[in-house]
Amino acid sequence: EIVLTQSPATLSLSPGERATLSCRASQSVSSFLAWYQQKPGQAPRLLIYDATNRATGIPARFSGSGSGTDFTLTISSLEPEDFAVYYCQQRSIWPPITFGQGTRLEIK
Amino acid sequence: EVHLVESGGGLVQPGGSLRLSCAASGFIFSNYDMNWVRQAPGKGLEWVSYISSASTIIHYADSVKGRFTISRDNAENSLFLQMDSLRAEDTAVYFCVRVVTPHSHDINLGYWGQGTLVTVSS
Repeated sequence: EIVLTQSPATLSLSPGERATLSCRASQSVSSFLAWYQQKPGQAPRLLIYDATNRATGIPARFSGSGSGTDFTLTISSLEPEDFAVYYCQQRSIWPPITFGQGTRLEIK
Repeated sequence: EVHLVESGGGLVQPGGSLRLSCAASGFIFSNYDMNWVRQAPGKGLEWVSYISSASTIIHYADSVKGRFTISRDNAENSLFLQMDSLRAEDTAVYFCVRVVTPHSHDINLGYWGQGTLVTVSS
């Protein structure tokens, strides 16, 4: 089973700042990595798939990079609605499909 | 617009059973693989089960294998999860999830229902 480790666990930033979230895989997942955003009481929303592709309707301030074992989700300039929990997920070797433990992005 | 609406959750005693349903609309249900993903209270996401568009491929997480059964009815645009021998650790919100791409096993989880809460407790 591929284990995904996200860092940091919590990130405290202010609106307008740049956010950089990390996801590391226990073995290579090629580019088969996705990112999700989840707000309290809501279902997760797909942001990025296949490491770099924005999902439909996702603003351009969200970008993904990386391949192999190291991946990054970048939010170029934080908007108030971006404060949420973010998860990475791999589909390279499955089952099982696995998720990271999440990064909480909170307002500083 | 894609709509996924789960139902069937509730309170059940350990060892009991529940059947979750997911009603799909706004897309050609029979063209898409589907999944169940769960989230325990205050915890992260855990994939539970996958079913291909024609039900020819089915997978389960080890934690539910032998106890849960996924199925679908393409004529009724519905996805199901039969949950037997329930345990306290199965307590979670269960999400019905559609993949992004039709006729593909890409497992990019593009569309999520709002979830249904299953509580296993005596």
